[in-house]
Amino acid sequence: QKEVEQNSGPLSVPEGAIASLNCTYSDRGSQSFFWYRQYSGKSPELIMSIYSNGDKEDGRFTAQLNKASQYVSLLIRDSQPSDSATYLCAVTTGRRALTFGSGTRLQVQP
Amino acid sequence: GAVVSQHPSWVICKSGTSVKIECRSLDFQATTMFWYRQFPKQSLMLMATSNEGSKATYEQGVEKDKFLINHASLTLSTLTVTSAHPEDSSFYICSAKPGTLNEQFFGPGTRLTVL
Repeated sequence: QKEVEQNSGPLSVPEGAIASLNCTYSDRGSQSFFWYRQYSGKSPELIMSIYSNGDKEDGRFTAQLNKASQYVSLLIRDSQPSDSATYLCAVTTGRRALTFGSGTRLQVQP
Repeated sequence: GAVVSQHPSWVICKSGTSVKIECRSLDFQATTMFWYRQFPKQSLMLMATSNEGSKATYEQGVEKDKFLINHASLTLSTLTVTSAHPEDSSFYICSAKPGTLNEQFFGPGTRLTVL
């Protein structure tokens, strides 16, 4: 079992729609959770961090965490073609390096 | 804030030569830096973790004598690929972690091509 699992996609949504990206993790000791965006040929860019159960909103992005279900999600409202990228979920217990999922490729259709 | 730079952004070298890649945290002190490798259409693979002033911790399967890591200061870590071969061609990305936070901030990456 992979430590961090994501659907590889591609997830295709029309422009203006809500994109929902999901991630599950196996280590119950995980305490910090992150979403990174990676454009093709570029390095990852941190877009959201979340540490406690519930929702965290930042502009068009909302991260959701459910530690009991070991589940993290990222919602992107009003999706734009420029949001087309691979989204990486990452978790850590705080004592180790981040563990990354393999990423979900998002395609926003104009 | 939280800017990480890498140099060079790309490099082409002949098989058998060594290549050094620098990673700098520009506006914060990084107690820990990480080196990743990413092959086309694959996810990030952690190669090693380096803490300032101590030896790097390598992930299983990564040859420490081939990938030399030095973290001489709180703002600089270097990765040297020794005796590079074509199979070492990849996208090498560093990240840095400020001392009090769990976030990691990535450099822009170095694309290495070994001929």
